[in-house]
Amino acid sequence: NAGVMQNPRHLVRRRGQEARLRCSPMKGHSHVYWYRQLPEEGLKFMVYLQKENIIDESGMPKERFSAEFPKEGPSILRIQQVVRGDSAAYFCASSPYQGRTGELFFGEGSRLTVL
Amino acid sequence: QKEVEQDPGPLSVPEGAIVSLNCTYSNSAFQYFMWYRQYSRKGPELLMYTYSSGNKEDGRFTAQVDKSSKYISLFIRDSQPSDSATYLCAMGNSGGYQKVTFGTGTKLQVIP
Repeated sequence: NAGVMQNPRHLVRRRGQEARLRCSPMKGHSHVYWYRQLPEEGLKFMVYLQKENIIDESGMPKERFSAEFPKEGPSILRIQQVVRGDSAAYFCASSPYQGRTGELFFGEGSRLTVL
Repeated sequence: QKEVEQDPGPLSVPEGAIVSLNCTYSNSAFQYFMWYRQYSRKGPELLMYTYSSGNKEDGRFTAQVDKSSKYISLFIRDSQPSDSATYLCAMGNSGGYQKVTFGTGTKLQVIP
């Protein structure tokens, strides 16, 4: 039973380029969450999605960031015109429809470096 | 004030020691309390899960929740070098959906 799959694991972009991070949830999981982790700052919630719907994007910057979870395929976190401050580890987590509240299954993260 | 406060450490202990990790929080709506463990360069994994106040034990790990004081703890008995990791407390509301708020994490090193 494969876990949450994230790719790429490492991504290097120059300022102004676009970054696309992909997440395939665990089999049978319909909820996807994206978190950003900076050193000494813990995990910061960005967005919560269900299939084809954004449920809560309150943690996501209003500009340059977008997320989707299409009916088919992985969830995508897209960062346009990246800046150095976007350098971080981005974690995706999934949960089943009727799982324990707060029990999240995390991927191994995508580490974005902006030069 | 942050919703969840956690001492970032680092905390260094000898093998076999008892480790105590703590978090405080300000949101009275939190009902679910969790501890996640994160090894270096890996994703967090759920270690302990408790609902409301009380204690829960799982092997060498004990989680305590005191809602009246808005304080949660994780105790590790007979600590092992393999316990060296970052421990993140996490909390969630009841109802609605599973939005989880994490502490900043405490980095633990167990010295053989």
